[in-house]
Formats: sequence, C-alpha cells, structure tokens
Amino acid sequence: DVVMTQSPLSLPVTLGQPASISCRSSQNLLHSNGNTYLNWFHQRPGQSPSRLIYKVSNRDSGVPDRFSGSGSGTVFTLKISRVEAEDVGVYFCAQGTYWPRTFGQGTKVEIK
Amino acid sequence: EVQLVESGGGLVQPGGSLRLSCAASGFTFSNYWMHWVRQAPGKGLMWVSHISTDESDTLYADSVKGRFTISRDNAKNTLYLQMSNLRAEDTAVYYCARDDGVAGEDYWGQGTLVTVSS
Repeated sequence: DVVMTQSPLSLPVTLGQPASISCRSSQNLLHSNGNTYLNWFHQRPGQSPSRLIYKVSNRDSGVPDRFSGSGSGTVFTLKISRVEAEDVGVYFCAQGTYWPRTFGQGTKVEIK
Repeated sequence: EVQLVESGGGLVQPGGSLRLSCAASGFTFSNYWMHWVRQAPGKGLMWVSHISTDESDTLYADSVKGRFTISRDNAKNTLYLQMSNLRAEDTAVYYCARDDGVAGEDYWGQGTLVTVSS
C-alpha cells in the first residue's frame, strides 16, 4: 500500500499567521491518465471529515481561498494563508491514485 | 443538500456480527459510487470498502476481506456494510462517503460507532 506521511503531526499556530502542512507519498501519485489524485480533508473536533482540496490544488465549493494546495509526484503541501479560529482540527492528506486509497496520519492544528 | 446518515453501530462481542446502514438524500444515489471509511478512536482514517453504482464492482481492504460485505439498495437510497466475525481492532467510527467520480470522497456522513468488546 502507498504510505502517506504528514509533517508536522502537531502545529500550533497564531491567529492571522500562515500555516503549512507537508504530505509525502511512498510512490509517485501521477496516474497514467495524467491526473494526480491527492486530496486534503479537514476534520473539526467531533465532526466528520470534509474535503478541502482535490487533485492537488482544486478547492472544493465553499472552501475559503486562504486554503491552497500544491505539489507533484511525491511531495505535496497544504497552506493556510491566514489562520482563523475555525481552522482548528485535524488535516489529512489522502491518495486515490492506487488501490487501496490511503490517508496520512493527520496533522493537528491548534491555536497558540 | 447532500445528506448521509449512518446507523446500526453499537457494542458487539468479538466474533459477532453487525449491519451498518447509510441513508442518502439530496442527490441521485444510484449515480454514485460509495465508500465506507473507518476511524479508530483517536486514530487516523482507513478506507474499508467501495461499491459501484450497480454493485458490479466491490473492493475491500485486506484487513476486512472475507468478513465484511458492502451492498446497496438504490430503490431505498441506502448503502450497507454487513460485518461478521468482528474483532477488537474493528472498533471504530464508520463513515459512509460519496464518490464524486472525479477525485474520490466528497461528502461524508456523521459516522456510527462500532465497539467490539466482551
């Protein structure tokens, strides 16, 4: 299975400041069809995950533009330009290029 | 509004069985592949199974293969997960999720907790 490794696992941030989460895959996530199936999810405490970003850099409907995704191959990044209080929770990356789809271990974002 | 509502979780003894349901609304259920994903307490996410629109394609994680069966009833807009020979390590919140056909799971239910313990 493809292993997804996130860093850091814990990220204390200051409101209004930027934040960045890294996700590395054990295999190149470029599919033979030219797409890279790397998604980012946000899970608030006590809630189910919600998708923020799909195929590396596409924001889902309703996701604020302070969230951005980038990367290629095996290295990917989620950036929050200015952290707001509602951004706390756990962020997961996930790959869908290979079966079974696999998730990163999660990065917990909290306010300092 | 897309809604996915899981039910059927609970406490079950090791070796026991349980059937989870996921009631879908707000979209044409029969047009979408569906997934089950689980999350052990305090842990990360693990994909469990998926099913195609007409049930012709199903796939399972190795850890549940032969013990879990995914199915759906498009007339009832409901997804199922039949779980048997349950183990302690199956303890988790089980989420159903819709596959958007472009990039994987987009909408998730609120989850149902399965606890396997004697």
